Amino acid sequence: TQLLEQSPQFLSIQEGENLTVYCNSSSVFSSLQWYRQEPGEGPVLLVTVVTGGEVKKLKRLTFQFGDARKDSSLHITAAQPGDTGLYLCAGAWQAGTALIFGKGTTLSVSS
Amino acid sequence: NAGVMQNPRHLVRRRGQEARLRCSPMKGHSHVYWYRQLPEEGLKFMVYLQKENIIDESGMPKERFSAEFPKEGPSILRIQQVVRGDSAAYFCASSRQAVTDTQYFGPGTRLTVL
Repeated sequence: TQLLEQSPQFLSIQEGENLTVYCNSSSVFSSLQWYRQEPGEGPVLLVTVVTGGEVKKLKRLTFQFGDARKDSSLHITAAQPGDTGLYLCAGAWQAGTALIFGKGTTLSVSS
Repeated sequence: NAGVMQNPRHLVRRRGQEARLRCSPMKGHSHVYWYRQLPEEGLKFMVYLQKENIIDESGMPKERFSAEFPKEGPSILRIQQVVRGDSAAYFCASSRQAVTDTQYFGPGTRLTVL
C-alpha cells in the first residue's frame, strides 16, 4: 500500500501550458515537502509546507497544503522545458522522522 | 556552503563483494538519513542516524546491511555480500536538528552489482 499517492504518474505537455499534480494520502502529516529530481541526481527541495491550508509560491510554482494536512498540490503556470523532471512529494509524520515518499510525477515539457 | 556530499557517485561490485557508501552531511547538520531508490518504486527510507547513534533502522534489511555515523568523519552505509537485487541508487540526506523536517539530499551513489 502506497501511503502517498501521486497523480498523474506521467504528464507530457507543451511549453506555455498550465498543469497541476497531486499528492494524496489518508494519513495526516506534520509537514510535506516537494522535491524535483533530474536523471542521475538527487532530489532537490522545492518547498516545505507545514500549516493546513497553507499556500506557497515559488515563481511560477504554487504549492498548497490541504486543510486536513493529508494532501497537497503543485500548480505550474506557463510551463517551460526547464521544468522537465520527476516531481516527488514526501511527508513526515513528525519532526525528525523519516520521510515517506510518493512515487512521483514525471513531467515532460516540450518546446 | 557545500551541500550533502556522497561518494563514490558510481560503484560497481561483483556478487559477494562488499560495498561501502559514504555521506558527508551539510555543515552544521548532525542528522543523517539513508534512502534507496529502485526503478518504479520510488525512494524508500532505510536508516536514520545521529552522531554515534542509530535512531531508526526500521527500513534497513536485517541482514548484510549496516550503517554508522561516527563522531568524526562521514556516515557509512555498508552492504556485505552484495546481490544483484542490491543494485539501486542510494541517497543520503541531512538535516540540522530534529525539530525541522527539511532534509537536504546528496547526489546519490549508483550501485551496480554484476
